Amino acid sequence: DAGVIQSPRHEVTEMGQEVTLRCKPISGHDYLFWYRQTMMRGLELLIYFNNNVPIDDSGMPEDRFSAKMPNASFSTLKIQPSEPRDSAVYFCASSETGRGETQYFGPGTRLLVL
Amino acid sequence: GENVEQHPSTLSVQEGDSAVIKCTYSDSASNYFPWYKQELGKRPQLIIDIRSNVGEKKDQRIAVTLNKTAKHFSLHITETQPEDSAVYFCAANTAGKSTFGDGTTLTVKP
Repeated sequence: DAGVIQSPRHEVTEMGQEVTLRCKPISGHDYLFWYRQTMMRGLELLIYFNNNVPIDDSGMPEDRFSAKMPNASFSTLKIQPSEPRDSAVYFCASSETGRGETQYFGPGTRLLVL
Repeated sequence: GENVEQHPSTLSVQEGDSAVIKCTYSDSASNYFPWYKQELGKRPQLIIDIRSNVGEKKDQRIAVTLNKTAKHFSLHITETQPEDSAVYFCAANTAGKSTFGDGTTLTVKP
């Protein structure tokens, strides 16, 4: 298995632009998680899905952030418009059941908003 | 919601010594406690985990203990090696959602 796949690996954009991050979870995993990691705030859960349905989006910082999971093998995290404070590493992770099971992280997308 | 506190934030040991990292959690419903290791520029990777019905688990040089009554769990690394240098995160899982500690930067000096 290729593991969790994320794209792009690096993204540099200017403030105000739309940014779309992509994730392909491990096949057969029912849960998908989006995290943001910064030095100041550590590893934060933004949103997670179970069987393509958003379960908890309380970690989404504001309305500029949105996430979708149109099918079991694909999810997107969109930031529109982007701001410099959105600069971070965004990780996608998946797990088989979500309840007491290991989360497998993707390689992350390093986002820099100028 | 769940709150996880992790200590210390940095830890420096000599090669061959032991390292201990401690975490506390607040939600008694948490039932799964994984530990992740993150090397610089890489993704967090699971190194060991423990479930709420177990008090201790060991895997070679790594062990984890859980005290449900006190709501704390600890990571123990024995015979540390320079390649153990990384950031270590604890987490507590409640109903499918993991809350992470702030991380401990472990440096093993040769």
